[in-house]
Parts: sequence; C-alpha cells; structure tokens
Amino acid sequence: SQKIEQNSEALNIQEGKTATLTCNYTNYSPAYLQWYRQDPGRGPVFLLLIRENEKEKRKERLKVTFDTTLKQSLFHITASQPADSATYLCALDSSGGYQKVTFGIGTKLQVIP
Amino acid sequence: KAGVTQTPRYLIKTRGQQVTLSCSPISGHRSVSWYQQTPGQGLQFLFEYFSETQRNKGNFPGRFSGRQFSNSRSEMNVSTLELGDSALYLCASSLETGLQPQHFGDGTRLSIL
Repeated sequence: SQKIEQNSEALNIQEGKTATLTCNYTNYSPAYLQWYRQDPGRGPVFLLLIRENEKEKRKERLKVTFDTTLKQSLFHITASQPADSATYLCALDSSGGYQKVTFGIGTKLQVIP
Repeated sequence: KAGVTQTPRYLIKTRGQQVTLSCSPISGHRSVSWYQQTPGQGLQFLFEYFSETQRNKGNFPGRFSGRQFSNSRSEMNVSTLELGDSALYLCASSLETGLQPQHFGDGTRLSIL
C-alpha cells in the first residue's frame, strides 16, 4: 500500500543553522509533491509545490528537492529562526487528476535560540 | 481577501448524535476538500467537492458525508458519532481541482463524550 514517511517526530536545531527535513514515499508515482507548515491550533499553510520533472525549487530561505528515483523529497530551511518552529508536512497527490492528496504525519521542528 | 472560514471552531457531542460542520472557501475557489486530523494518523483525506459534485472520496465509512452548494460553500455531516470521531476536521479550498495548492481553514475541533 502507499506510504509516506517523514524523518522523525521532532527535530531540534540551533538558530542560524540549516534545517533539513526528509519525506520518503513508497508505492507512489506522484505527479507532484507539496510542503506545508502547521502551527499548533491552526490549519496547514502551503509553502512550496514541486513537480515530478523538477529537481529543485526555491522560495526565499526555503529549498525543496524531489528525487523520483530515490522516492524522496528534502526540505531545507537556511538560516533558521525560532519563528520557523512548527510542524512541517509533506503531501503527495495520489489520484492523478483530482484533489486527492495524501499527507505525511509531519516533522516537528524546534529552532533553539 | 478573506481566508477559509470554518464553523464552529469547537464542538462537543455525545456518542450516537450527528453533527454538521460548515466551510466557506476563499472567494472564487471552486474546490473544497475535507480532512480529519488526529495525533496518531495525521491528516486523512475525507472527500473533495468541485462544482457541487463529489470528485474523490477517502477511505471513511458512509457515516461521513458532505455536500457543496452553488456558492462553493460546503458542509460535512457525521452521523451516529463514535468516540473515535474525536478529531480536528479541516477544510481546504483551491481555485480548481487537481494540481493546486490548498488553502486550509483552522478547523473544527470535535470532541465526542
């Protein structure tokens, strides 16, 4: 069956360092992958979308890579700040046409001042 | 532009009752998706509506149903509530169906006693 794994439940990192979060998937051939940020008590907020034919996407301090051979996406936050502390979710389309997105359980990132 | 609005924010029900949750999408968005979020399972896709038609459905029992109105507003209904239905129910809207980032509301926290 289809499965998404995110690297750990919690990741602690020192302010100013680069945070790297991992999203692995099995039994999928997604056309695209998305990353969302979720703060406690709030809904997820869309950050980046990367298509299967794109290797890398950047937005300000954020960078996403998508390796369809390894079945993996990496999400990087450079020069991390305490305000980046949140849970980060990866999501893959699973229907090839309609909005049927499957989310990973998320990685909780804590940036320590 | 107003974001996705979900009402109510909190709801307490008892087993066997039924509940209706409401979602107003961003103006101009025609696709509305519903998700259930629990600590152990993460975000689970319930269904998507587009132009008043259910386009996709997740793996949930028939007690979970929804509908979409001509103004794109959507409602979700859960009948014969069970303790396991306690969760955060999130609604997300997008301009079109398919390859689109989703904009989430802050959810309805449903507690079953």
